Amino acid sequence: EVQLVQSGAEVKKPGESLRISCKGFGYSFTSYWIGWVRQMPGKGLEWMGIIYPGDSDTRYSPSFQGQVTVSADKSISTAYLQWSSLKASDTAMYYCARSTAGGDFDYWGQGAMVTVSS
Amino acid sequence: EIVLTQSPGTLSLSPGERATLSCRASQSVSSTYLGWYQQKPGQAPRLLIYAASTRATGIPDRFSGSGSGTDFTLTISRLEPEDFAVYYCQQYGRSPLFTFGPGTKVDIK
Repeated sequence: EVQLVQSGAEVKKPGESLRISCKGFGYSFTSYWIGWVRQMPGKGLEWMGIIYPGDSDTRYSPSFQGQVTVSADKSISTAYLQWSSLKASDTAMYYCARSTAGGDFDYWGQGAMVTVSS
Repeated sequence: EIVLTQSPGTLSLSPGERATLSCRASQSVSSTYLGWYQQKPGQAPRLLIYAASTRATGIPDRFSGSGSGTDFTLTISRLEPEDFAVYYCQQYGRSPLFTFGPGTKVDIK
């Protein structure tokens, strides 16, 4: 069974760094792109970036380029989303999702809530 | 930059009724790369339809997708209580690489 299991909720202060994770189970992790999607409280879905763990090819939404870093460690089937300096406006639920060749996200993680507050 | 617009913003219907949701793109989208998702409160989104009209695994046949070019439609033939949720369309390929629409909320009348 395909599963994406994300790390837990985080509470951080503005200016702190953070890395959240997404571990894949039940499929060849290096054969599918893994994307990250933000959902701010009460709002819609926003695509942030995507990585191909097989060769670490990475693409970003222009809205998030330079704001976050997407990476992966294929040896442990895990993708990461990281911030070097969090802002209050980064408070949101973050989902990882597996992308098919057709650009659909067919499996999703359970989400990781990130709260940034002083 | 491609923009997806969904209408209506909210659709108030009763169980058993037919729901018709629209997704309009600011540029032509290949049907191969248009999907629909359902999201219930407190849950991750779920893929319903891919390639504009193909149901994802395990999705009931009351859900159907259609359309091409810039106009796409998700139809729920007879609403079940578990279908009241928010629905998003999503495209792949145009810049930005992935784009979601703002969503249509289907709520109980």
